[in-house]
Amino acid sequence: KQEVTQIPAALSVPEGENLVLNCSFTDSAIYNLQWFRQDPGKGLTSLLLIQSSQREQTSGRLNASLDKSSGRSTLYIAASQPGDSATYLCAVLEGGGADGLTFGKGTHLIIQP
Amino acid sequence: GAVVSQHPSRVICKSGTSVKIECRSLDFQATTMFWYRQFPKQSLMLMATSNEGSKATYEQGVEKDKFLINHASLTLSTLTVTSAHPEDSSFYICSAKPLRNSNQPQHFGDGTRLSIL
Repeated sequence: KQEVTQIPAALSVPEGENLVLNCSFTDSAIYNLQWFRQDPGKGLTSLLLIQSSQREQTSGRLNASLDKSSGRSTLYIAASQPGDSATYLCAVLEGGGADGLTFGKGTHLIIQP
Repeated sequence: GAVVSQHPSRVICKSGTSVKIECRSLDFQATTMFWYRQFPKQSLMLMATSNEGSKATYEQGVEKDKFLINHASLTLSTLTVTSAHPEDSSFYICSAKPLRNSNQPQHFGDGTRLSIL
């Protein structure tokens, strides 16, 4: 059974710093990997989706990498801002892409003004 | 972009009540919708996969008679928590996927916070 682990569970950094969030998964036979943002009591906002054949995706200050063979992904956030404070979730999609997502527990990020 | 509407956003009700949650894809047709549950400080866990016109597929440990899913149209799936009890209190969130086996991502609703007294 696929398991997704996110490290660290929580992170607090001063504004302006660059930071890296880590995600690992136990079964490398994934269809794609997705990073989400979740604000308290809210739903999910999709940040980046990386197909299994891709190595990375970029959107603005966010860059996500995927090393499928080692079962790892990182989310890099450049020049962090207080508005980036949220919980960041990593999720993998298995099978032929028809299944539900398997999520990690998330990294709770606080950017100090 | 693709929008998924989930209603209601919050429900507080007495133990024994049945609660229905709706998940609608507003600007696309979804042959497949997913229902997830998230307990405090836990990850989202897939409960069931809802396929239009057929029976839902439930994950291990999820009671199908407790959590009734209906996906009667390409834009609407409903989750009914029957005879809800305090242990059913959780954050329920749905997602919809435009095409089966496609590279398109799932689009999530804003979730429903269910509190059973």
